[in-house]
Amino acid sequence: GQNIDQPTEMTATEGAIVQINCTYQTSGFNGLFWYQQHAGEAPTFLSYNVLDGLEEKGRFSSFLSRSKGYSYLLLKELQMKDSASYLCAVISNDYKLSFGAGTTVTVRA
Amino acid sequence: GAVVSQHPSRVICKSGTSVKIECRSLDFQATTMFWYRQFPKQSLMLMATSNEGSKATYEQGVEKDKFLINHASLTLSTLTVTSAHPEDSSFYICSAAKIASGGYNEQFFGPGTRLTVL
Repeated sequence: GQNIDQPTEMTATEGAIVQINCTYQTSGFNGLFWYQQHAGEAPTFLSYNVLDGLEEKGRFSSFLSRSKGYSYLLLKELQMKDSASYLCAVISNDYKLSFGAGTTVTVRA
Repeated sequence: GAVVSQHPSRVICKSGTSVKIECRSLDFQATTMFWYRQFPKQSLMLMATSNEGSKATYEQGVEKDKFLINHASLTLSTLTVTSAHPEDSSFYICSAAKIASGGYNEQFFGPGTRLTVL
C-alpha cells in the first residue's frame, strides 16, 4: 500500500518562508509531485522530483531524498495568494498517483 | 500546454437519478485518464483508471456497477454515477496522462465537478 504523510496545517506571515515536509512509503517509486489546490478548484502542478536533490523554480523549491523517503516544498517570499492546500503525491510503478492528505497553508498579513 | 475540461462544473440532482460527467483532453490525446473523488478537507482518492478502448480498472472499495466509466476516444472519458445518493455528494476530478517535456508521466487535471445529491 501507499502511505504519504504531511502536516495538516501551517501558518506563516506574508514575506516569510514556509517548508512543508512530506514522508512516503510506497510500493514502487517513479517520482514525487507537489500540487497547489485552492478551495473548490482542481490541483495545479508545482514541481516534480525523481532524482535526489533540490529543484528550484522561482519562489518555490522542492527537495527529494529517495533513501529517506522524504521531500519538502519550500515557499519563499510568501504572498497572500499562496494561501492554499499543498498536496504531496507519489507516482508508483503502475503510474498511479497517490496523494497525501494535503497541508493547508494560511498566509497572514 | 495540456488542457483538460470537465462538464458540468456543478450539478444538483435528486436521490435515485443518474449523473454523467465528461472529461476531455482538449489539445492532446490521452490513452489513460483517471477519476478521483475528493470529500471536504480530504485529499484526492483515486477511483478508477480509464483506458481508451478497454475496461476501466477500479480501486478497491469502488463499486464498478455504480460508477460507470467509458473511454470511447483518445480525448473523452465519461463517469456516470448511477442511482446517486446523498453520500455520493463530492468533488469529482478527472486527469489525463501525458508524457511531459522532461520525459516523465504527468497528469493534467480537469477543473472538477461538484455533485450534490439531495
